[in-house]
Amino acid sequence: DQQVKQNSPSLSVQEGRISILNCDYTNSMFDYFLWYKKYPAEGPTFLISISSIKDKNEDGRFTVFLNKSAKHLSLHIVPSQPGDSAVYFCAASAREGAQKLVFGQGTRLTINP
Amino acid sequence: GAVVSQHPSWVICKSGTSVKIECRSLDFQATTMFWYRQFPKQSLMLMATSNEGSKATYEQGVEKDKFLINHASLTLSTLTVTSAHPEDSSFYICSGRTGGPYEQYFGPGTRLTVT
Repeated sequence: DQQVKQNSPSLSVQEGRISILNCDYTNSMFDYFLWYKKYPAEGPTFLISISSIKDKNEDGRFTVFLNKSAKHLSLHIVPSQPGDSAVYFCAASAREGAQKLVFGQGTRLTINP
Repeated sequence: GAVVSQHPSWVICKSGTSVKIECRSLDFQATTMFWYRQFPKQSLMLMATSNEGSKATYEQGVEKDKFLINHASLTLSTLTVTSAHPEDSSFYICSGRTGGPYEQYFGPGTRLTVT
């Protein structure tokens, strides 16, 4: 039962353009969402998060959008840079219970010069 | 801030032996620590959650007698893989959580290969 899904295993974007990574979830109890960036053989690095009371959160080049009715969130990176090439994981958590993070499968982003 | 270290970064062991992996929060006190494993090209799967001074809570399907977790202090948690088998070969990642309810800070991971 995959509660958090990232349906695109990979994405290739031209340097300077916008990268859009998508994530869908099924559990309506999730009320906090996070994006992590991961390089091979390293642990994930926190990028940006959003609470379910908001529909947008922006931090520099990174913006996360949340559409609760569609149970969908997206991460926008603009402008994309070569250093952004990595695997991006979407994660979700619920206030109730142990507040565990449930991760999607990840999307490998490649920024082409 | 919020740095987590793991030791060792990689380890090769023979089938049937035990391996201990350490996870330390270097600049914060981790009231809760989490252990994940990741298979190639797959997501991070939570194995267990541990709170300092108490027994770990294991996810369904994770053998608690095989994956021993100890969270003896607010800065150290250990995962011991007992009687390791080749199918235990994986990338093990720990994370620590501070007072905030959601955000976790991850260690660099440990690559375990069982021959």
